[in-house]
Order: sequence, then structure tokens, then C-alpha cells
Amino acid sequence: DGGITQSPKYLFRKEGQNVTLSCEQNLNHDAMYWYRQDPGQGLRLIYYSQIVNDFQKGDIAEGYSVSREKKESFPLTVTSAQKNPTAFYLCASTRSTGGGGNTIYFGEGSWLTVV
Amino acid sequence: GEDVEQSLFLSVREGDSSVINCTYTDSSSTYLYWYKQEPGAGLQLLTYIFSNMDMKQDQRLTVLLNKKDKHLSLRIADTQTGDSAIYFCAETNGGSQGNLIFGKGTKLSVKP
Repeated sequence: DGGITQSPKYLFRKEGQNVTLSCEQNLNHDAMYWYRQDPGQGLRLIYYSQIVNDFQKGDIAEGYSVSREKKESFPLTVTSAQKNPTAFYLCASTRSTGGGGNTIYFGEGSWLTVV
Repeated sequence: GEDVEQSLFLSVREGDSSVINCTYTDSSSTYLYWYKQEPGAGLQLLTYIFSNMDMKQDQRLTVLLNKKDKHLSLRIADTQTGDSAIYFCAETNGGSQGNLIFGKGTKLSVKP
């Protein structure tokens, strides 16, 4: 079945560590996104990529990094510079990036907790 | 910047209709969406509406759009306990960035 797979589902990070969240899609979508969700808050865009080897900062990119070496994969690294990383992280992808019809599909999310 | 507003909570009894409201500020919105999120899970697309439509019905779901007032609503008929979740309104203008602007979500609680 086609879909978006995020891993791990739960991740614990020690202070000062970098951690990487995986996101893989087999939907042949061009664009991929990373969102952060905090309790009682909506989704905030961290990074997005419209095409392989290209990505753009979203609203809250500080302390995060991404890569897009393959169309199917868009990993997110939460660096030690991110001071408050505990949150629920959602990866998403969409078929087109402009002109409308941007139906976005989401993965099941990854919980990151700082210990 | 663009903004999407929703009330945070809604409580209904099983079998009643639920109406979740949303307002947005972007006058160039082309697509408006409703997503459902169950606890600890990702977002599931429920339905969407083009800005040139004023109503869309899909089984128990009815979406109404008042473009003049920038108001969107989602009506769930015969609400069931399985409908308990957080519902997000989102909009996009389909621009080069292509990303969605989300509201903070409305938590729907369905009482038996």
C-alpha cells in the first residue's frame, strides 16, 4: 500500500544530542514537509522540499536541518541548537506544489522527548 | 501573515449533529481542508472544498463555505463516539510555497 512512513514512533534525546527522524514515502510525491505539533497548538512548518536536492525553511527552522537526496526520503535532524525539541513531529507529502489541488498526506508522526 | 482561527473545544451527544467552525484571513485561498487527528496519530484528510464552491457533501460530512465572510464550517451528521478527535481547518492559496496554513484544531468530544 502507498503511504508515508515515519520512524521511530517514539524517541528520547539527551541534552546536547542530535537526533534524526526518518520519513519515507512511496506515493511518488514531489513535495515533502516537516511540521511540529505542540499540545493545544496547530501545526507549524519546519522545512519543506519541492524537489530533490532542494529545500526551504519554514516558519520555525532554527535548530533543525534536513536533506532531500532522494525523492522518497526527507529526514529531519533535530540538533542540539533546538532548545525545546520535545514535541510531536509530522511528515507530509503532496503531489503538486502549485496551482491548487495540494492534497497533503501525513505520516503517523514521531514523538520526541528530551530526557 | 495569513491566519486560520477555530474554537478549541466542542462537546456533543451521540446522535446529534456537530458543527465545527473556522475563519481565515487569506482572501486568495483556493482550497480549504478539514483534517481529523485521533490521539497520537497523524492527520487524516476528511474533505476539501474549492473556493469557487459554497457547499460540498460527502456522506455524513457537509462543508459550507462563505467566501465573503471567509468562514468555513464542517457539519457531522449523526455524530458517533468514533468521531471524537481533533479537527483541523487548513487553507492554501496554491502558491509557489504550496504549504498549508492550519488552525489550532477543535477537540470534539462525543458523549454517549
